[in-house]
Amino acid sequence: DVKVTQSSRYLVKRTGEKVFLECVQDMDHENMFWYRQDPGLGLRLIYFSYDVKMKEKGDIPEGYSVSREKKERFSLILESASTNQTSMYLCASDYSGANVLTFGAGSRLTVL
Amino acid sequence: TQLLEQSPQFLSIQEGENLTVYCNSSSVFSSLQWYRQEPGEGPVLLVTVVTGGEVKKLKRLTFQFGDARKDSSLHITAAQPGDTGLYLCAGDPSGTYKYIFGTGTRLKVLA
Repeated sequence: DVKVTQSSRYLVKRTGEKVFLECVQDMDHENMFWYRQDPGLGLRLIYFSYDVKMKEKGDIPEGYSVSREKKERFSLILESASTNQTSMYLCASDYSGANVLTFGAGSRLTVL
Repeated sequence: TQLLEQSPQFLSIQEGENLTVYCNSSSVFSSLQWYRQEPGEGPVLLVTVVTGGEVKKLKRLTFQFGDARKDSSLHITAAQPGDTGLYLCAGDPSGTYKYIFGTGTRLKVLA
């Protein structure tokens, strides 16, 4: 089975801190994604990457950056965390054209 | 931003009842996916519908893709408590891997 692992399930950070969310997939998928999930708003795409060192902005990239130095790893970075970034963050991956996203279990971030 | 609108947002029913969840858009999709998400977990794919008018069955779940490929429905027959969860439709309207998700339908099936 494809596995997408998000290293941190729960994080509590203070306003202004730099936050790294790590995601690793083990099935050689080209595409990787970061979404945030908020009640009533569904899943919103922050960034995605279709290859190493390649990235595309999603619908809500402001306040976030990403890094993909290796095919299996996609990191989401909050340069200066703010309280409105308190959310559930979901990482996903898929093969190009497969239209089948495999998700990690999520990282719940609280910014105080 | 293109939208996928789901209805209803919340549904609480008794075990054994039938229900239908709708996913609508003004955009045409080459395919639509349905996912189920349980508390504390990421969404898990249930099915992909590709052809306009297509009907797919997964045990007691029936998925239909609209003829114009702008909408889809999920029908559950004789719901069970194990069907409880958040149901999400999703698709890539522009063919650029920017998958968008519906706002979700939270289903609770009471024993």
